[in-house]
Amino acid sequence: EAGVTQSPTHLIKTRGQQATLRCSPISGHTSVYWYQQALGLGLQFLLWYDEGEERNRGNFPPRFSGRQFPNYSSELNVNALELEDSALYLCASSWGTSRTTDTQYFGPGTRLTVL
Amino acid sequence: AQTVTQSQPEMSVQEAETVTLSCTYDTSESDYYLFWYKQPPSRQMILVIRQEAYKQQNATENRFSVNFQKAAKSFSLKISDSQLGDAAMYFCALSGGYQKVTFGIGTKLQVIP
Repeated sequence: EAGVTQSPTHLIKTRGQQATLRCSPISGHTSVYWYQQALGLGLQFLLWYDEGEERNRGNFPPRFSGRQFPNYSSELNVNALELEDSALYLCASSWGTSRTTDTQYFGPGTRLTVL
Repeated sequence: AQTVTQSQPEMSVQEAETVTLSCTYDTSESDYYLFWYKQPPSRQMILVIRQEAYKQQNATENRFSVNFQKAAKSFSLKISDSQLGDAAMYFCALSGGYQKVTFGIGTKLQVIP
């Protein structure tokens, strides 16, 4: 069974540009979560999507947005990039809201560098 | 709000020895889950062990076990017979309420040959 996949592995952008990160969940999982892991910090919750809808959002500005497609894959968009957006972005998936507080399984991450 | 605290930024253990990583948490939820995740230098986050709060019995997965003290809101991870492959960042996480997961800042474990 394939795990959570993310693309690209690395992404280099300049300030002010937009970045798009992609995630494919484990087959059968309907929930996708996005986290930011900046150097020296823990995981900061960004967004949670389930069944195509945004269910919850962390304490991040509106320029962090995303969506979930009918096949449950997801993309995270970061507009007007700032230097402090440089981080590892992790995607996780789970069975979704049909199961209470289910285990999240993580992808390998996308390293975003903003110059 | 729920919080997770890992007070040990770094730990080291001799190969084949036992090490315990600490985690305390706070939540107002009555139904919640606790997790330990491992993130090796390759950066893939891997689930190590999971504990349901309603279960009194401590979870065990091979060499990994937890000491879950619900009243004290403590959730420590014990790694027995440590191996070089155990070297990684270990994150404690709490999942409570509506699929909300909070992570600690992590403990870096070094395994000394």
